[in-house]
Amino acid sequence: GENVEQHPSTLSVQEGDSAVIKCTYSDSASNYFPWYKQELGKGPQLIIDIRSNVGEKKDQRIAVTLNKTAKHFSLHITETQPEDSAVYFCAASITGSQGNLIFGKGTKLSVKP
Amino acid sequence: GAVVSQHPSRVICKSGTSVKIECRSLDFQATTMFWYRQFPKQSLMLMATSNEGSKATYEQGVEKDKFLINHASLTLSTLTVTSAHPEDSSFYICSAPRAGGIQETQYFGPGTRLLVL
Repeated sequence: GENVEQHPSTLSVQEGDSAVIKCTYSDSASNYFPWYKQELGKGPQLIIDIRSNVGEKKDQRIAVTLNKTAKHFSLHITETQPEDSAVYFCAASITGSQGNLIFGKGTKLSVKP
Repeated sequence: GAVVSQHPSRVICKSGTSVKIECRSLDFQATTMFWYRQFPKQSLMLMATSNEGSKATYEQGVEKDKFLINHASLTLSTLTVTSAHPEDSSFYICSAPRAGGIQETQYFGPGTRLLVL
C-alpha cells in the first residue's frame, strides 16, 4: 500500500522567511496530493492540492511542486506570518475511486514574530 | 464556509457507555465518507470507510463491533463508539470527497474530541 514520508517534523522560521516542507510517496498510482493545515483542536483544513498532471501550483503565498519521477512533492510558504503557525500534513491518494487519503506524520511549523 | 460538519464537537462519557458521532456533508452528497482517529501529536489514521447503502469497510486492527458505522443517507454518516473505555479517548474526524467535474477533493469535518473517564 501507499506510504507517505514527511520532513521535517518540526520547523521554526522567522516571520517573513520562507518555509518548505517535503513529502515522498511510494505508490506510483497515486495521483492526488493535498496539503492540510491543522490548528490545535480543529479538523484539517485544505490549503492547496495538486494533481499528477501538473508540476506546480501556486495560490498567493502558498505553492506546491510535484516531481512524479522522484515521487516527491513539496509545500512552499513565502513571507510567513505568525498565523501560519500550525501543523501541516501532506497526503496522497488515488482519485476517481474515492480512495482514502494516506497522510504524512505532520510538520509543526512555528513562525516567530 | 464549512462543507462538512460534525456533532458533537466534544463529549465526555463514563467508561462502558456508548457515544454517537455524526458527520454531515452540508451542500453535497457523499456516497462515501471516511472516519479517522488522531491521537495527540500524531497524524490521522484511517479507521473505516463508510459506504451509503452498504456495509462499512474497516482498516486492519479496527474492531467493527466496537466502532459501528451507519451511512444513513447521502449526507449523513454516524460513528458509534460502543462500550467506550479510556483508551478510546481521541480526536475523531470524518471526511467526505466532493466531486468537481472529473476532479475530487476531500473535505474534513471539525473533529470530535472524545474523553472517556
